[in-house]
Amino acid sequence: DSGVTQTPKHLITATGQRVTLRCSPRSGDLSVYWYQQSLDQGLQFLIQYYNGEERAKGNILERFSAQQFPDLHSELNLSSLELGDSALYFCASSVGTASTEAFFGQGTRLTVV
Amino acid sequence: AQSVTQLGSHVSVSEGALVLLRCNYSSSVPPYLFWYVQYPNQGLQLLLKYTSAATLVKGINGFEAEFKKSETSFHLTKPSAHMSDAAEYFCAVRLNNAGNMLTFGGGTRLMVKP
Repeated sequence: DSGVTQTPKHLITATGQRVTLRCSPRSGDLSVYWYQQSLDQGLQFLIQYYNGEERAKGNILERFSAQQFPDLHSELNLSSLELGDSALYFCASSVGTASTEAFFGQGTRLTVV
Repeated sequence: AQSVTQLGSHVSVSEGALVLLRCNYSSSVPPYLFWYVQYPNQGLQLLLKYTSAATLVKGINGFEAEFKKSETSFHLTKPSAHMSDAAEYFCAVRLNNAGNMLTFGGGTRLMVKP
């Protein structure tokens, strides 16, 4: 158990809908990262938050957004969903931005039908 | 920009045989390199990491990797495969000052035959 909790584990929704994925980082970790794992794109970095502020952006679509709350949990919002958004979404956390190890949650598997 | 290439999307070995998973990277600055393992329906677990100290890095479960700057490689090895090693393995790179944003390779699925 990495200490990073993601909910829900599975999500099935229809095209055009909006969903929210939730991540609780390890106790004491200030940084949260979101990654997408899909069959065609592999594992891709989406976005990073550090202590409530956006710190870095990767290949995140404009239909996607995220935030980190004062209690340090993070949410990834996916809207106007398309079939191609079906993927495993991972959250990871680390103590800071320079620490050399990030701990990954078990992921949320999103299926868009 | 940094990138990672894993040669071989599938590798099959017999139980007890040597495991060798290949990873080559490109980076304009000295990289930090990682190997992660993903078991079915699980998240990613860190196996080992290179952070510019010793070039031979030992990780969990008997795995090790050697950083070779001249070859821009960070191959993962294990002397003797166990059935429990069957999983997908990812090599990843990050720049020294890039927070923990990781660029992952395409992954190598390791199959272990009895």
